Amino acid sequence: DAKTTQPTSMDCAEGRAANLPCNHSTISGNEYVYWYRQIHSQGPQYIIHGLKNNETNEMASLIITEDRKSSTLILPHATLRDTAVYYCIVRALEYGNKLVFGAGTILRVKS
Amino acid sequence: DADVTQTPRNRITKTGKRIMLECSQTKGHDRMYWYRQDPGLGLRLIYYSFDVKDINKGEISDGYSVSRQAQAKFSLSLESAIPNQTALYFCATSDSARGRTEAFFGQGTRLTVV
Repeated sequence: DAKTTQPTSMDCAEGRAANLPCNHSTISGNEYVYWYRQIHSQGPQYIIHGLKNNETNEMASLIITEDRKSSTLILPHATLRDTAVYYCIVRALEYGNKLVFGAGTILRVKS
Repeated sequence: DADVTQTPRNRITKTGKRIMLECSQTKGHDRMYWYRQDPGLGLRLIYYSFDVKDINKGEISDGYSVSRQAQAKFSLSLESAIPNQTALYFCATSDSARGRTEAFFGQGTRLTVV
């Protein structure tokens, strides 16, 4: 699986958009970008994933650059409950791959 | 009821004791995983299983063993617990068949070895 690089921490004002970057310059053509978050020692929660097109769901949007070497997770209107550690993971779908978590980004949403 | 259930949720045990952490899931997923998390760190993969007859070591399998008793059950054992195995343990499941492959996690087991 390709390695990912994320900032250690970020702050965001409540109600504003939170933009979390992730670099994955060694990503392979068959590898997807996944985002999970972990709220205070709870089990990690899946947010979104994508291959090369931008994706949006009820939780967030995922913007992947055209060269696929980086991506940004966007929480459009951050709330205090979005304070969590956000993990960017790159992996392929075929048999034999598994989730490997890095250190993630601590997002603090402040009022 | 939770889709992925871990028992116990909290456990304190003594050094040298054998302990088993259990995980069961009602999602019908074929893949199951055990992770540990130490304070301030990300999750590290201990073991994973892609079906009942398939068991694989992860990054940090030394001192641990697993058993996949059925598709829905995946147990993690510490044969002789030591203090540096004090951590938060998570079980997870995913489904290879649907093509989405997002993982679903249990609420965790907080293990303290004294």
